[in-house]
Amino acid sequence: QITLKESGPTLVKPTQTLTLTCTFSGFSLTTSGVGVGWIRQPPGKALEWLALIYWNDHKRYSPSLKSRLTITKDTSKNQVVLIMTNVDPDDTATYFCAHEWTTVTTAFDYWGQGTLVTVSS
Amino acid sequence: SYVLTQPPSVSVAPGQTAKIPCGGNNIESKTVHWYQQKPGQAPVLVVYDDSDRPSGIPERFSGSNSGNTATLIISRVEAGDEADYYCQVWDTTTDLSWVFGGGTKLTVL
Repeated sequence: QITLKESGPTLVKPTQTLTLTCTFSGFSLTTSGVGVGWIRQPPGKALEWLALIYWNDHKRYSPSLKSRLTITKDTSKNQVVLIMTNVDPDDTATYFCAHEWTTVTTAFDYWGQGTLVTVSS
Repeated sequence: SYVLTQPPSVSVAPGQTAKIPCGGNNIESKTVHWYQQKPGQAPVLVVYDDSDRPSGIPERFSGSNSGNTATLIISRVEAGDEADYYCQVWDTTTDLSWVFGGGTKLTVL
């Protein structure tokens, strides 16, 4: 059974750096084709894809946020970390991590419950 | 970057068929995925690769993709289908990126 869970701060001040962790089980990020992505959703708004890391450490970033994002993985801990620098109130959102298996489909087939991050002074 | 366009809302009576469109330039050349999201919950994949259903998703959910429009089709709509629905593609035309539509609120009358 695949599960993912996001963790991190609930409140961050403007200009600070946000670090979010996705801890997963039921699959390995060493399996060929597997990826873990981050998607966010501002309150009342649509989903927005942020970044994804593959089993082979290849990384993809949203073009509009690329300069502010870093995604890494720790396969020994079954974790993926997303770092977002210089946050502002527009980054207030629920942040989800999700599983993707490129070998089968480019859809996100399993999602975490999400974690709400508020950016405010 | 690639843009997906969805109507903000669609309404349908129980038992009828709901069709939720997702517009994009030559979208038929891409594979489209659909997610259902109920309030306060994470999205759930309901259709992938245009028309395939994940395990556990009712056969009432199906999809099509032709020309510049992909469509999520929900047959015999139930009250429990009321939710936001998002289309998504993997865009390889510029950067390799995952793109979501703006979402459609399905209201069951």
